[in-house]
Amino acid sequence: KNQVEQSPQSLIILEGKNCTLQCNYTVSPFSNLRWYKQDTGRGPVSLTIMTFSENTKSNGRYTATLDADTKQSSLHITASQLSDSASYICVVGSNFGNEKLTFGTGTRLTIIP
Amino acid sequence: GAVVSQHPSRVICKSGTSVKIECRSLDFQATTMFWYRQFPKQSLMLMATSNEGSKATYEQGVEKDKFLINHASLTLSTLTVTSAHPEDSSFYICSASKSMQPQHFGDGTRLSIL
Repeated sequence: KNQVEQSPQSLIILEGKNCTLQCNYTVSPFSNLRWYKQDTGRGPVSLTIMTFSENTKSNGRYTATLDADTKQSSLHITASQLSDSASYICVVGSNFGNEKLTFGTGTRLTIIP
Repeated sequence: GAVVSQHPSRVICKSGTSVKIECRSLDFQATTMFWYRQFPKQSLMLMATSNEGSKATYEQGVEKDKFLINHASLTLSTLTVTSAHPEDSSFYICSASKSMQPQHFGDGTRLSIL
């Protein structure tokens, strides 16, 4: 069964600090891995997308890593801001026709001043 | 970047009424559109996949007569929740993609059935 597991479930950090979110997956076939940010009551917004051959990708203060051998990914957020408070969802795409996505349950990140 | 618009963003209605939600791809032609449902503190759950001009493919456990999906053009798909009841209250999110391209998500519709 395809699964995406994320840790921690929730995280509270001080504004300005860095943090790293983890994602482990068992999805086959593997097409790509994305990280999304979802604010409460909004749709997911893409942060990074990585294919099998990519092991790191950055988008501003967000840096994602991918180890396709161990099937692990991380999302590192540097110099956190209050607006970073959101759920961060790891999503693995499989198939190359009608894309099938397997969603993690997300990490709820809260930045406190 | 690709933009997917969803309307309305919020609906509150009485039990027994039908509710239609629209999903539009604003700057690209979406060969495939997806409908998801998300309950509080849970992840998105795929309800159905629709390709333009053909019938939607529903996930196991999703009633096709309850959740009517129409994908009549490459830029518009609609989800109609028929005879909605309080248990249908949820956050509904659509996404759209071109062939072989990643999905782009709408901003969701909060449906509340009284």
